Amino acid sequence: EAGVVQSPRYKIIEKKQPVAFWCNPISGHNTLYWYLQNLGQGPELLIRYENEEAVDDSQLPKDRFSAERLKGVDSTLKIQPAELGDSAVYLCASSLDGSRETQYFGPGTRLLVL
Amino acid sequence: AQSVTQLDSQVPVFEEAPVELRCNYSSSVSVYLFWYVQYPNQGLQLLLKYLSGSTLVKGINGFEAEFNKSQTSFHLRKPSVHISDTAEYFCAVTKGYGGSQGNLIFGKGTKLSVKP
Repeated sequence: EAGVVQSPRYKIIEKKQPVAFWCNPISGHNTLYWYLQNLGQGPELLIRYENEEAVDDSQLPKDRFSAERLKGVDSTLKIQPAELGDSAVYLCASSLDGSRETQYFGPGTRLLVL
Repeated sequence: AQSVTQLDSQVPVFEEAPVELRCNYSSSVSVYLFWYVQYPNQGLQLLLKYLSGSTLVKGINGFEAEFNKSQTSFHLRKPSVHISDTAEYFCAVTKGYGGSQGNLIFGKGTKLSVKP
């Protein structure tokens, strides 16, 4: 069974440029999460989807970040414009449903903003 | 709100020695508890989780953890570590019900370094 797929794995951009990350969850997983992991820190939730609905985006900085999961399968996270402080690893995870279920993580996208 | 404290940022240990990675949580409601492992340049992988029932939980790779409600702890243990256990370990908590159910709150991580 394929795991959570993320692309690109690495991205280097200049500040003020836009950037997008893509995630394809495990087949059949209804819940999709985007996490931000700063160096030396644990992941922090940005947004959680149940199918195509964003049920928790309270931690997403909406002035520059946006996300979508149009058909309830794969998802895109966008930053526009990027700032130096956005340099981090962006992790995507998926689970069948509910808080008892294991979240499966992708390898992440490492972003460096210059 | 829930929070997780991992008391040690780094734990060096010799191969075949026992290890304990400490985790304390705070929550006013019932919670589910998790330990994840992250190898370099990889995503997080679940080691074990506590949902209910027996307070001693066994996971993959010989790890186990004990849920202690009175001390609000969920320490991870392994009786004999291998070089391959070198990684970063994250403790996480989520609410058992209600709003934000399923949202994992992670600690800052503990880097386990196993030396030959």
